[in-house]
Amino acid sequence: NAGVTQTPKFQVLKTGQSMTLQCAQDMNHEYMSWYRQDPGMGLRLIHYSVGAGITDQGEVPNGYNVSRSTTEDFPLRLLSAAPSQTSVYFCASSSRDRVGYFGSGTRLTVV
Amino acid sequence: DQQVKQNSPSLSVQEGRISILNCDYTNSMFDYFLWYKKYPAEGPTFLISISSIKDKNEDGRFTVFLNKSAKHLSLHIVPSQPGDSAVYFCAASGFDASGSRLTFGEGTQLTVNP
Repeated sequence: NAGVTQTPKFQVLKTGQSMTLQCAQDMNHEYMSWYRQDPGMGLRLIHYSVGAGITDQGEVPNGYNVSRSTTEDFPLRLLSAAPSQTSVYFCASSSRDRVGYFGSGTRLTVV
Repeated sequence: DQQVKQNSPSLSVQEGRISILNCDYTNSMFDYFLWYKKYPAEGPTFLISISSIKDKNEDGRFTVFLNKSAKHLSLHIVPSQPGDSAVYFCAASGFDASGSRLTFGEGTQLTVNP
């Protein structure tokens, strides 16, 4: 039972580069979301999705794009990486019971 | 504004004693509260939750208390074990038509000393 799988685990980008963080879940959950964790700030919501084809912005969406073409996958795209996007990124999925199940995270450094 | 706040960045307790982690919230629309545990280099894992229609929920050594009038919840761990050493996050959810989203506190680092 894989749960929520995130790739890659680590990534170093140069300022201005683009990349996609992958997230897949095998629990048939309707809801998926992306968070970033920064020191002393807990986890903050970037974007979320309530189902295939439906996405919306969270608390800190600037600089990130998402799409959800299938129930299983919810990739996060950084269009032009900035040092302020250095963070640990977590993907989560949940059903209507509202318990979020998290992946193991992607540690991103932008230099 | 910080809608969910954990005022204690760290807490240290002796093995076998009680650990009490606290959390305050400001948004009256929150109706479901969760505690997560996080080890380094891992994602948060769900620990226990409570609905706003209850004031207490127990699961083994873990009990969550909710005081709606004070907008305060707490997590009690009894007895504390060294394996409980981790960062604990409080989270809140207000279910709306847009789906389930979690608002997190800053986290409390719990250290249980043998």
